[in-house]
Formats: sequence, structure tokens, C-alpha cells
Amino acid sequence: RKEVEQDPGPFNVPEGATVAFNCTYSNSASQSFFWYRQDCRKEPKLLMSVYSSGNEDGRFTAQLNRASQYISLLIRDSKLSDSATYLCVVDPFNAGKSTFGDGTTLTVKP
Amino acid sequence: NAGVTQTPKFQVLKTGQSMTLQCAQDMNHEYMSWYRQDPGMGLRLIHYSVGAGITDQGEVPNGYNVSRSTTEDFPLRLLSAAPSQTSVYFCASSDRGLSYEQYFGPGTRLTVT
Repeated sequence: RKEVEQDPGPFNVPEGATVAFNCTYSNSASQSFFWYRQDCRKEPKLLMSVYSSGNEDGRFTAQLNRASQYISLLIRDSKLSDSATYLCVVDPFNAGKSTFGDGTTLTVKP
Repeated sequence: NAGVTQTPKFQVLKTGQSMTLQCAQDMNHEYMSWYRQDPGMGLRLIHYSVGAGITDQGEVPNGYNVSRSTTEDFPLRLLSAAPSQTSVYFCASSDRGLSYEQYFGPGTRLTVT
């Protein structure tokens, strides 16, 4: 089993839709969780950190479920510009090193 | 600030050749790392550094060497290129650690024939 697993998608949604991605992690002791965004042929960029209490940034909401060992990313009112690959990032062993999921690809269509 | 810069952007090597991928950051970050990304996959850690003069292996270190003589620079050396090293290589830096926010360079696309 991979340390960090994501549904690869692709997710194809119309503009204005709400879409959610999940990411599961294998080590219940993990403490650091992030979502990065990667546009095609570009470098990853931090989208959001994920806190225990959940956090929201505009149309984006990140949640952590420690009991089930997953984090989620909810995008409301999808825009064409949200089309990208979303990478889940976890420090699975609290070793000070992050493990990246393989990414979930989102395409928002007019 | 330029952030994290990488050169070259593209490179084609023949099997057995060696080369160095350059990475520099101007944010005075202590932590730097090298990742490779194969098609449809996430990033895998090759080597990392927690400060000048200190380096360590990541998940996939074989075939690569690194050194960190200054805070700013973290070059990655391919010793004897193999087709399996065809990938996109990203350098990243952080001021808090590899399990915190990392800032990535634009990447080097390497093809080994």
C-alpha cells in the first residue's frame, strides 16, 4: 500500500460545479498535510495547508479526518482556471520529509 | 527575488554521459531538495540538504550525487546517465523544513537516449 494515495481522476466538471478530492495516508501519526497545485508542465505550488480544525480559503476548503486517515479538498463554484493537477502531500513518518501523492487531475469545462 | 532557479530547462543526454543540474535560491532558505517526477506520478525525493555542508539521501538516490557548499546552491550530478533517469527534475527550498511549505524551481526536463 502506498503511503499517500489519491484518486487519479480525471475529474471533468462544468463551470460552477462543486468537486471534492480525497487523499488517504497510511500512518496515523502523520502531522503535516498540504495540498499543492500543479499546472501542466509547471512546478507545484502550495495551495493550502491542512489543519486539524479544517481551513477555508475563498472557494477552497481543506479538511482532515484523522480517524479515517484522509484529507480532502473541496472546490466550490469551479472556474476554468481551476483546471490543474492537485497533489496531496503528507509527512507520513514525521521524519521531516514529505511524500507526494500521484495527483488528481481536474478539468473544468465551459 | 528570483526565488528558485534551475538550469538548464531542457537537456538530452546519451547513455553513460554525466552532467550537473544547477539549482539556486535567493531566499536564504536552509532546506533544499531535489525531486524527480515521472509521467502521471507524484514527486519522489532524490537528495536533500538541511544546510550548507549537510546532505542526505531521499527515496531514490541511486545514480545521483549532490553537494551543498553554499546556502544558495544545490547542484545535482548525474554520474552515468541511464534511460531510466529520463524525467522532470525539480529543485525546491524551504525555510522551515521539507515537511513544510516548499518553493519549487521551474524544473529541468531531461531525456536520456
